[in-house]
Amino acid sequence: QQQVKQSPQSLIVQKGGISIINCAYENTAFDYFPWYQQFPGKGPALLIAIRPDVSEKKEGRFTISFNKSAKQFSLHIMDSQPGDSATYFCAASKDYGGSQGNLIFGKGTKLSVKP
Amino acid sequence: DSGVTQTPKHLITATGQRVTLRCSPRSGDLSVYWYQQSLDQGLQFLIQYYNGEERAKGNILERFSAQQFPDLHSELNLSSLELGDSALYFCASSVVLAGGTQYFGPGTRLLVL
Repeated sequence: QQQVKQSPQSLIVQKGGISIINCAYENTAFDYFPWYQQFPGKGPALLIAIRPDVSEKKEGRFTISFNKSAKQFSLHIMDSQPGDSATYFCAASKDYGGSQGNLIFGKGTKLSVKP
Repeated sequence: DSGVTQTPKHLITATGQRVTLRCSPRSGDLSVYWYQQSLDQGLQFLIQYYNGEERAKGNILERFSAQQFPDLHSELNLSSLELGDSALYFCASSVVLAGGTQYFGPGTRLLVL
């Protein structure tokens, strides 16, 4: 059973455009929602994360929007650049600050930004 | 560079064999996680250790085992290997037990022939 559903599977955006990736979760116990960026041949790297007590978090060109009632969260990349071309994973975990912190990942979105 | 190191980078072996993957967490990080990444299953959590103790288990097969040593490095042992075990295996580390940033290593690519 997939607990975090991510869409789209792939995305092509023009340079300067906005990239939007969506995720939905099922388990209301999740309380930490990070986004990871992965380049080919590399490990995933944390991009930005949010907890459910806020509805939006912005870091530079990257913004997470969080809708607790709909159990959805999304990543917006403003002014997308060719260097943003990578695979993006949303994730969720429960028991923040507690006894275990394993991440449950979405299937990933391959983003291509065309010059 | 995340500060997490993994060896070897690539591993080619045959079915039925046993391999050991090694991970050194970032300096000061007590938590170590192991994840498996494959095309069909995506990134899946296998097991977590914190300061030498097992803390959480995911979909880890009985043929797989792990441990974290007193110097905090960790090893993932995969035995009786099958073709389907071919995947990227990532180690991640974090300072805290839960909720902190997880820093991923570069991974070990395992190919079982």
